[in-house]
Amino acid sequence: GAVVSQHPSRVICKSGTSVKIECRSLDFQATTMFWYRQFPKKSLMLMATSNEGSKATYEQGVEKDKFLINHASLTLSTLTVTSAHPEDSSFYICSARAGGDIQYFGAGTRLSVL
Amino acid sequence: AQSVTQLGSHVSVSEGALVLLRCNYSSSVPPYLFWYVQYPNQGLQLLLKYTSAATLVKGINGFEAEFKKSETSFHLTKPSAHMSDAAEYFCAVSPLRGGAQKLVFGQGTRLTINP
Repeated sequence: GAVVSQHPSRVICKSGTSVKIECRSLDFQATTMFWYRQFPKKSLMLMATSNEGSKATYEQGVEKDKFLINHASLTLSTLTVTSAHPEDSSFYICSARAGGDIQYFGAGTRLSVL
Repeated sequence: AQSVTQLGSHVSVSEGALVLLRCNYSSSVPPYLFWYVQYPNQGLQLLLKYTSAATLVKGINGFEAEFKKSETSFHLTKPSAHMSDAAEYFCAVSPLRGGAQKLVFGQGTRLTINP
């Protein structure tokens, strides 16, 4: 099956710093990638949808300037959490779609902001 | 608009017993329906999907789900639970056609298997 690699798996940072999370489709070209946030014992909340070469579409309530998304190629999307604060601590998961109806998920990144 | 309700945030069954995880959906257009499984600190793995073909869908690890339009349900079952089935299970819906194929997830059901 299709593989999506997400890096890093865990990151701890100081408040005020920025953190970049990478999402790569390893064996397919992803026309669309999605970024989700998952709070403890909660469901996944879609943050944004990104298409290669165009601006990401953010869900209502998600700050564009806070969560910068770049989808520079058909195999790579990045999420940058800018000026991170403790309330940004969460589990972030990306997924990628090759054009069909299935999203393939990365293993997630646990962000802890001190 | 689509939405998903998973009845029961926590289900506990004995090893070898039937597993039944409930999912009801709401959709203004014909939906795709999915079940995903998440193990601790991992991403989601697709168990099975319904895309308007056969209403009884078989997935991996012995799981299956039946699409019932009249009941707007897509319950997940497995005849005999294994210890390795302990995980979080998510039901999800997306529109059958058009749009960005965004997934809307249910709240999740944590499945515990008792020895």
